[in-house]
Amino acid sequence: EAGVTQFPSHSVIEKGQTVTLRCDPISGHDNLYWYRRVMGKEIKFLLHFVKESKQDESGMPNNRFLAERTGGTYSTLKVQPAELEDSGVYFCASSPEVDYGYTFGSGTRLTVV
Amino acid sequence: RKEVEQDPGPFNVPEGATVAFNCTYSNSASQSFFWYRQDCRKEPKLLMSVYSSGNEDGRFTAQLNRASQYISLLIRDSKLSDSATYLCVVNEGMFSGGYNKLIFGAGTRLAVHP
Repeated sequence: EAGVTQFPSHSVIEKGQTVTLRCDPISGHDNLYWYRRVMGKEIKFLLHFVKESKQDESGMPNNRFLAERTGGTYSTLKVQPAELEDSGVYFCASSPEVDYGYTFGSGTRLTVV
Repeated sequence: RKEVEQDPGPFNVPEGATVAFNCTYSNSASQSFFWYRQDCRKEPKLLMSVYSSGNEDGRFTAQLNRASQYISLLIRDSKLSDSATYLCVVNEGMFSGGYNKLIFGAGTRLAVHP
């Protein structure tokens, strides 16, 4: 079984540019989550999709961040415009049911310069 | 106050040593508890769930004290391959409502040396 896949693995962009991160969950997993770890901080929840619906987006830091999951398959997380403090590692995870453990992807390391 | 607090370490121990990690959490309504392991520049991976009755998986033993809001992880007979960051994680989601939200501690670094 393929795991959770994230693209790209690394991204370096300039402040003010736009970046789109992609996550492909494990096939058949309705639940998809985004987390991020900024430098020196703990991993923080961003949001939770159930199929194509946002179940909980309480962790999204501001309106520069937009997450979508059209068709309930892969998800994208767009940052527009990127700021220096957005640098960090963005993890995606999926689970088949809401009370199952997560499987995390290997993350996208975003550097905003 | 952080929602999940851990000693950052690092813990430097020789092979074969026993090492214990502690963690406290602030939300008494938290539903479930975990220890994750994260290797350098890798994703977190579930090590074990933590139950009030205590649970053991080989050399690893986890304990939960709900009254004290305290979680522990004991590693016996440490191996070089145990070197990693150990993350204490609390689920503040409500399964009945379909919410599933993990709160991570900052992690405790363990370095096992020969």
